[in-house]
Amino acid sequence: GAVVSQHPSRVICKSGTSVKIECRSLDFQATTMFWYRQFPKKSLMLMATSNEGSKATYEQGVEKDKFLINHASLTLSTLTVTSAHPEDSSFYICSARWEGKNIQYFGAGTRLSVL
Amino acid sequence: RKEVEQDPGPFNVPEGATVAFNCTYSNSASQSFFWYRQDCRKEPKLLMSVYSSGNEDGRFTAQLNRASQYISLLIRDSKLSDSATYLCVVSAHNTNAGKSTFGDGTTLTVKP
Repeated sequence: GAVVSQHPSRVICKSGTSVKIECRSLDFQATTMFWYRQFPKKSLMLMATSNEGSKATYEQGVEKDKFLINHASLTLSTLTVTSAHPEDSSFYICSARWEGKNIQYFGAGTRLSVL
Repeated sequence: RKEVEQDPGPFNVPEGATVAFNCTYSNSASQSFFWYRQDCRKEPKLLMSVYSSGNEDGRFTAQLNRASQYISLLIRDSKLSDSATYLCVVSAHNTNAGKSTFGDGTTLTVKP
């Protein structure tokens, strides 16, 4: 069964709407979670590293004010796409790292379509 | 040069064939290595970890060559259900807070 839960799986929204995506580790505590974006037939692009109790670390070129990350507990990280525009349409995937094994387990992803 | 490089394929093989994928990495400080599998429009799923001693899980065998900085995945007796994209993942514990770097993936199609 899934060890990381991501919700919602699908979002269709109007331009200008803010969208919140949740990522939960179910069987373990994760001090570190990751947020990725993936375009069709392309590999995962790391957007940011979410650290429990501290600010997220964003990759170069990713706007922190556009993609707000909150990691308030050891089992939950959220990504909020603020004022979404059509170019933000993509597949967003989170992962949680199982510290002892240094293995990342992925959520099922959120397919965002901004009209 | 990319940190992790894979042959994108696609690899088109008949059922029952043996197929091998290679992956090279540039960071010599890398310490953890994995193969993930990603089906179309789905999330990546861990296939296996890769160790210097090599490891085998059923029809799948993974090898790590630290000196040459490459890892490999061998699939024997291919099944139709093996069709997917295989991602090579490399992680350096001591840098970037253990951030993992993904290859672009190798696409495998197994045909009847």
